Amino acid sequence: GAGVSQTPSNKVTEKGKYVELRCDPISGHTALYWYRQSLGQGPEFLIYFQGTGAADDSGLPNDRFFAVRPEGSVSTLKIQRTERGDSAVYLCASSLSLAGGELFFGEGSRLTVL
Amino acid sequence: KQEVTQIPAALSVPEGENLVLNCSFTDSAIYNLQWFRQDPGKGLTSLLLIQSSQREQTSGRLNASLDKSSGRSTLYIAASQPGDSATYLCAVGGQAGTALIFGKGTTLSVSS
Repeated sequence: GAGVSQTPSNKVTEKGKYVELRCDPISGHTALYWYRQSLGQGPEFLIYFQGTGAADDSGLPNDRFFAVRPEGSVSTLKIQRTERGDSAVYLCASSLSLAGGELFFGEGSRLTVL
Repeated sequence: KQEVTQIPAALSVPEGENLVLNCSFTDSAIYNLQWFRQDPGKGLTSLLLIQSSQREQTSGRLNASLDKSSGRSTLYIAASQPGDSATYLCAVGGQAGTALIFGKGTTLSVSS
């Protein structure tokens, strides 16, 4: 596609529920990144993929968070048993490769956990 | 662990002024540095990417410089306009194949 697409743009859920956030990267971009941004803060790294495999998942805060990219294109970030502290904007970015390429971000998915 | 700091946190200037935003990082062994713009409620827009072997990059009224040895980068905006009002974020890449580490940003307000 023309840019990085993220859905949903807004998600409101109740504490304890399961949530999936989707990212569709720029066509041909092999590297895909997930970040989380809280109000007034810079984006915080969560995980990135090269192709289908997670190259670095050291930023995932705990085992409630999981991300997949089964076909090397679209990625889904999955959050189990959501907590109020998970409320943030989840940003996805892609680049042509991991080798120092320019990152292009989507508009983000705003998650609110009540 | 790499830490990125941006000063000032907020800046207000009248239209037409030239201004400089600062970014510092603790580990000088970086691969690249990227400047982004973020409008309220929006994603990040890439402005300039500087590879570690480069000293500066220019795009229109924007000029970004990189001094690896001192752990600093600056973003220079010439002849500022109200449309430049946004948060500007600096991000550093450690080595090829690692994720960018972001600062908290500088929120710029340009008044007409």
